[in-house]
Amino acid sequence: DSGVTQTPKHLITATGQRVTLRCSPRSGDLSVYWYQQSLDQGLQFLIQYYNGEERAKGNILERFSAQQFPDLHSELNLSSLELGDSALYFCASSPQGGQGNEQFFGPGTRLTVL
Amino acid sequence: AQSVTQLGSHVSVSEGALVLLRCNYSSSVPPYLFWYVQYPNQGLQLLLKYTSAATLVKGINGFEAEFKKSETSFHLTKPSAHMSDAAEYFCAVRSNTGNQFYFGTGTSLTVIP
Repeated sequence: DSGVTQTPKHLITATGQRVTLRCSPRSGDLSVYWYQQSLDQGLQFLIQYYNGEERAKGNILERFSAQQFPDLHSELNLSSLELGDSALYFCASSPQGGQGNEQFFGPGTRLTVL
Repeated sequence: AQSVTQLGSHVSVSEGALVLLRCNYSSSVPPYLFWYVQYPNQGLQLLLKYTSAATLVKGINGFEAEFKKSETSFHLTKPSAHMSDAAEYFCAVRSNTGNQFYFGTGTSLTVIP
């Protein structure tokens, strides 16, 4: 158990819909990262937040957005969903500072778009 | 910019044989390198990390990796494969700003009984 929690574990929805994925980082970790893992594109970095502020952006679509709240939990919002958005979405957290610090991954949310 | 390349998307070894998973990095500054393992339907779990303290890094489950600057490599090895080692393995490098991790495309390890 990494200490990072993600809800829901599974999500099935239809094209055009909007969903929200939730992540709670490890206690004390200020950084939260979101990743998308699909069979054809591997593990893709989406976005990073640090103590409520966006710090880095990766291959995140404009239809996707994220935020980190004062209690440090984060939400990833996916809208106008397409079939190709079906994937595993991982959240990871990392302690503040120290480039040698690793990321701790949550168990993921499996999104299926029908 | 940092990046990692994992050679071989699929590796098969016999139970008890040496495991060697290859990772080469590209970094303009001394890197921080990581190996993660992902078991089916689970998140990624840290195996080991290199943070410049020692070139030979020992991790969990009998895995180790050696940082070779001259070869820009950080290959993962295990002397004797177990069936439980079957999983997906990812090499990663952390950016020098600390804001982003760059993951390789992963290597799927199959252990043949």
